[in-house]
Amino acid sequence: NAGVTQTPKFQVLKTGQSMTLQCAQDMNHNSMYWYRQDPGMGLRLIYYSASEGTTDKGEVPNGYNVSRLNKREFSLRLESAAPSQTSVYFCASRAASGGVNEQFFGPGTRLTVL
Amino acid sequence: GEDVEQSLFLSVREGDSSVINCTYTDSSSTYLYWYKQEPGAGLQLLTYIFSNMDMKQDQRLTVLLNKKDKHLSLRIADTQTGDSAIYFCADLNSGGYQKVTFGTGTKLQVIP
Repeated sequence: NAGVTQTPKFQVLKTGQSMTLQCAQDMNHNSMYWYRQDPGMGLRLIYYSASEGTTDKGEVPNGYNVSRLNKREFSLRLESAAPSQTSVYFCASRAASGGVNEQFFGPGTRLTVL
Repeated sequence: GEDVEQSLFLSVREGDSSVINCTYTDSSSTYLYWYKQEPGAGLQLLTYIFSNMDMKQDQRLTVLLNKKDKHLSLRIADTQTGDSAIYFCADLNSGGYQKVTFGTGTKLQVIP
């Protein structure tokens, strides 16, 4: 199992450019999440998808959109990138039923907006 | 909303014990987790405790939970240089979509 995979690993954008961050999981998990990690602020939830076909806003959704393409894939789109979106982005998934219910994280995408 | 707080930095000598503390505000937490993040990597689950437990031991790791004070701690015995990482406390509440709230992370530096 590859677990949670993210592409790209690194990206540099100019202000106003758009891009899509890709995430896929092969664990048959129902729930998927997008977080951003900034120094001293921990992980902040951008959007989540509790199940295929549903998406909801998290703490910091402004400037982002998401698509739950199927059960495996959950993408994050920046329509018009701003320097404040410079961050490390993590995708995560979890089974969301029974047991410990921990989240499994991808390796992250390091995004710089100039 | 819920809040999870941790100190940002801890430095210990190799071979000593490390204690990382966390406080949370959500009284409906079901599971509390400790995640480890090594440089340049994503988070990985280190250990967890169910909310009806006071303590959990797993090899060099001891988790203590004080529900009354909403305080969680992670003790690492015989700390090694390989334990240098950022440690995140997180809690899972029982409502809605079962939201997981993360703390700010504590960077553990182990001095040889």
